[in-house]
Amino acid sequence: SQQGEEDPQALSIQEGENATMNCSYKTSINNLQWYRQNSGRGLVHLILIRSNEREKHSGRLRVTLDTSKKSSSLLITASRAADTASYFCATGQNRDDKIIFGKGTRLHILP
Amino acid sequence: EAGVTQSPTHLIKTRGQQATLRCSPISGHTSVYWYQQALGLGLQFLLWYDEGEERNRGNFPPRFSGRQFPNYSSELNVNALELEDSALYLCASSFVNLNIQYFGAGTRLSVL
Repeated sequence: SQQGEEDPQALSIQEGENATMNCSYKTSINNLQWYRQNSGRGLVHLILIRSNEREKHSGRLRVTLDTSKKSSSLLITASRAADTASYFCATGQNRDDKIIFGKGTRLHILP
Repeated sequence: EAGVTQSPTHLIKTRGQQATLRCSPISGHTSVYWYQQALGLGLQFLLWYDEGEERNRGNFPPRFSGRQFPNYSSELNVNALELEDSALYLCASSFVNLNIQYFGAGTRLSVL
């Protein structure tokens, strides 16, 4: 079954607002990654957070990880039209196992 | 530095035919991954190659196969194409597994 599940499936917000999307997973992980996909194109890596980290920042992005709840959140502050995309979380358990992507959250920034 | 390149960009086939998709990883990356993304859906893991060996395989029938060459480039073959194989096929590479994956732009396969 899918390891990571994003929530919500779709999100529409006004430009300038903050966007929060969540990812839940089922088993222990080595790390969790967030990727962005613009319509019909390849994915772009955003942030990698390791299982022993609780929070990580990159520009307007903030990722938290709660291993006790097996969940992560991605916060995009001061959203822009260019942030319109699908966002996926990806989890990996160990070096011999595949990375599993969730189904993604479709984010639409309204002008 | 060149990114991950995939060819062709688009591929149109008919049912029953075979499709071959190609991927060149970033220089220095030994791991190559293949994913299938049907329209509007998430990524389904297909195959992972590292150092020329198949390391892991997703829940796909045997008519999905591939290989990795000595220069770490990779090929995905889909035999006996079915209509539901129509999708965007993404290739990614990384230095080691569980590390950041760098994606190509994908090959859009249409089966008529």
